[in-house]
Amino acid sequence: QVQLQESGPGLVKPSQTLSLTCTVSGGSISSGGYYWSWIRQHPGKGLEWIGYIYYSGSTYYNPSLKSRVTISVDTSKNQFSLKLSSVTAADTAVYYCARGLTGDRHYFDYWGQGTLVTVSS
Amino acid sequence: SYVLTQPPSVSVAPGQTARITCGGNNIGSKSVHWYQQKPGQAPVLVVYDDSDRPSGIPERFSGSNSGNTATLTISRVEAGDEADYYCQVWDSSSDPVVFGGGTKLTVL
Repeated sequence: QVQLQESGPGLVKPSQTLSLTCTVSGGSISSGGYYWSWIRQHPGKGLEWIGYIYYSGSTYYNPSLKSRVTISVDTSKNQFSLKLSSVTAADTAVYYCARGLTGDRHYFDYWGQGTLVTVSS
Repeated sequence: SYVLTQPPSVSVAPGQTARITCGGNNIGSKSVHWYQQKPGQAPVLVVYDDSDRPSGIPERFSGSNSGNTATLTISRVEAGDEADYYCQVWDSSSDPVVFGGGTKLTVL
């Protein structure tokens, strides 16, 4: 059973960089066949895809966030990470990491529990 | 970018059938996936590839997709089905991962 767990600060000051890590257990990121994504949900709102990374390091970001987002992978630790720079209150959200299949049948079969990040001074 | 349109809310009595739609331009040519999200919890995949169910999801959950509309059907609705439901597609021509706005299912 694959499990994902987000970790990182729950409070970030405006203009700073939000940093989160997703630790994967029960399966190897290096096995291929999956994109590893970050998805967020503003309070009371819908789901917003942030971006994904493949084990090789190739990435794809949501164009609306692309200028501020960096996703990286550490296959030795079976982790992938999110950095979102220059945050504002509008970045306050629950952040999820998730595993998605590669290709046109891209759906998310495993999700982390989510972590609330609040941007406030 | 590709847009998926869901009704904000659907209400149904216990034991009845709920149908939640997801509209998109020629969505029938894409694979549609559905997620259930209960308050304070992460989304859970309930239907993938239009009509397939992951293991552990009751047969009461089914899906269809044709033309410009995909539909999630929940038969014999139970109180425990009350949740938000999201459709999602992969669109290689734009933002690859697209979610619908979500539909709140209320069990009366």
